[in-house]
Order: sequence, then C-alpha cells, then structure tokens
Amino acid sequence: AQSVTQPDIHITVSEGASLELRCNYSYGATPYLFWYVQSPGQGLQLLLKYFSGDTLVQGIKGFEAEFKRSQSSFNLRKPSVHWSDAAEYFCAVGAKAAGNKLTFGGGTRVLVKP
Amino acid sequence: KAGVTQTPRYLIKTRGQQVTLSCSPISGHRSVSWYQQTPGQGLQFLFEYFSETQRNKGNFPGRFSGRQFSNSRSEMNVSTLELGDSALYLCASSGGSRGDTQYFGPGTRLTVL
Repeated sequence: AQSVTQPDIHITVSEGASLELRCNYSYGATPYLFWYVQSPGQGLQLLLKYFSGDTLVQGIKGFEAEFKRSQSSFNLRKPSVHWSDAAEYFCAVGAKAAGNKLTFGGGTRVLVKP
Repeated sequence: KAGVTQTPRYLIKTRGQQVTLSCSPISGHRSVSWYQQTPGQGLQFLFEYFSETQRNKGNFPGRFSGRQFSNSRSEMNVSTLELGDSALYLCASSGGSRGDTQYFGPGTRLTVL
C-alpha cells in the first residue's frame, strides 16, 4: 500500500528566507508525486508534479522539488519565501495501478514571519 | 477554462439526516474523485467515477455513495449522518487517464450537529 510521510507538522520561516518541506513516500513501483497547497477555507492548488524524466521539477510560484528514488523522497523548496506563501502544503503520491487515487501526507503548515 | 465547482459551499445537517453534494468538473474532464478532509484523519480518498462508473473506492462505509452523470457531473451522498462525518469534502477532476493530474474544487464544508 502507498503511504506518504511529512515529518514536519509546522514550520516557521522568516520572509525572504529559504524554505524546504520534506516528503517521504512508500510505494513499490515508480510513483507519481505531487505537491499541493491549501490556503484556509480553500481547496487544493497544484504546485508541481513528477511523473518521470528529470528529477528536478519546477512549479508555480517559484517552487521546485527534487525526486530522489534512493531516499524515497520528494522535498519541496523555495529560495525566498513571501508572506503569501503562508499556507498548508500537502505531498501526495499516485500510481498508474491505483487509477486516480491519491494518497496524501498529513500536511505541513507554514508560517511566515515578517 | 472554468475550474471545478462544488455546491453548496456550506451545509449544516443533524445526525440521522442524509446529504447530497454536487461537483461539476473542468470542461472535457471525464474523471471525478472525492476526498474527505478532517483534522484528525487528514485527506482520505472516497471514490472515483469515470464515464458514469465507479472505478476506484476507498475504505469508507456504505453510507457514502456517489454517482456520475453523462455530462461528467458527479454527486456524493451520505446517508444517516454521524457527527464524525463533519468534514471538508473535496472533489477533483482529471482527464481520465490513470495517473492524470487532478484539479481540486473549493470544497463543501459539512457540519453535522
């Protein structure tokens, strides 16, 4: 069965500082990996996705993520955080064999200090 | 292109009642998936519909059911509501190929009293 772990429940970062959110997954085959962001009271917005190919993926809002098969990780990074990046971030894994079912991590809430 | 829309956005029901939530996918998308989001359990997959057929199902009791219409719009029904059914219910649509990117709607906030 697929599983996703986001070890950090909360992260506080100063505006302008860099951000890295951790994601570890468990799945037997090559997974599809996603990062979504959720603002309070809103749905999920896709930041980026990895299906295959280049292991460094660029997304929207200046985010990027790197797929590391050997570490079963898909960490999200941003070089310089803006106050508007305060939100909850979810890593998710899917697989062709699972159809369109996504398994989500528990989420990481990001707080941005001025 | 319009995004995924969900109606209603907010609902308040009492225990024992039933509720129907609606989801209109992005134009051209044929797959609709439903998720439940709660503070305790996080985001959990309910089921997926593709071409009016349930293609995948999560681990929820039979009180949770759904259907999809020929125009790809989907409804989700919860019968005999329990307090624990209070949650944000999210709908996601995709093109339909397995593993396609899913795009989420704003959700329906259900409160069961």
